[in-house]
Amino acid sequence: DGGITQSPKYLFRKEGQNVTLSCEQNLNHDAMYWYRQDPGQGLRLIYYSQIVNDFQKGDIAEGYSVSREKKESFPLTVTSAQKNPTAFYLCASSSGSNQPQHFGDGTRLSIL
Amino acid sequence: QKEVEQDPGPLSVPEGAIVSLNCTYSNSAFQYFMWYRQYSRKGPELLMYTYSSGNKEDGRFTAQVDKSSKYISLFIRDSQPSDSATYLCATDNSWGKLQFGAGTQVVVTP
Repeated sequence: DGGITQSPKYLFRKEGQNVTLSCEQNLNHDAMYWYRQDPGQGLRLIYYSQIVNDFQKGDIAEGYSVSREKKESFPLTVTSAQKNPTAFYLCASSSGSNQPQHFGDGTRLSIL
Repeated sequence: QKEVEQDPGPLSVPEGAIVSLNCTYSNSAFQYFMWYRQYSRKGPELLMYTYSSGNKEDGRFTAQVDKSSKYISLFIRDSQPSDSATYLCATDNSWGKLQFGAGTQVVVTP
């Protein structure tokens, strides 16, 4: 079945450590997105990519980095510079602007 | 001020009742409107997508958009316990960057 796969489902980070969240889609979508969700808040955009080898910062990009080397993959790295990384991270994709976004089932990141 | 405002609830209704959810938005440039359903520990699932004022119906779900008032609504008829979830509204200014409401938690009691 077509969809978006995020892994791992749960992830723990030690102080000073970088961690990478995986996002893979087989929907042949051009655009991919990373969001952060905190309790009581809506989704906030971290980074997005509308085409391979190109990406733009969202509203809360500080402390995060991404790459888009393949159409189907858009990994997110949470760096040690992100001082409050505990959150639920959601990856989404769409076939382009003006098209609805479809989401994976998220990765929950916690601090050890 | 947030660009999309949504009452967080919780909204508790008895099984079989109509669930009424709404959001307001501030930017008249928003052209596309979505409702997502999110179960606990899961990603949001697209329920409705519309770009015009008026009503759009899909089974038990009706989405309503009033661009003149910058007001969007979702109605769920004949609610079931399986409808218990958080419902997120979202808007798009056609640049592909969605603005989300905070989500309304809905509880349907048997």
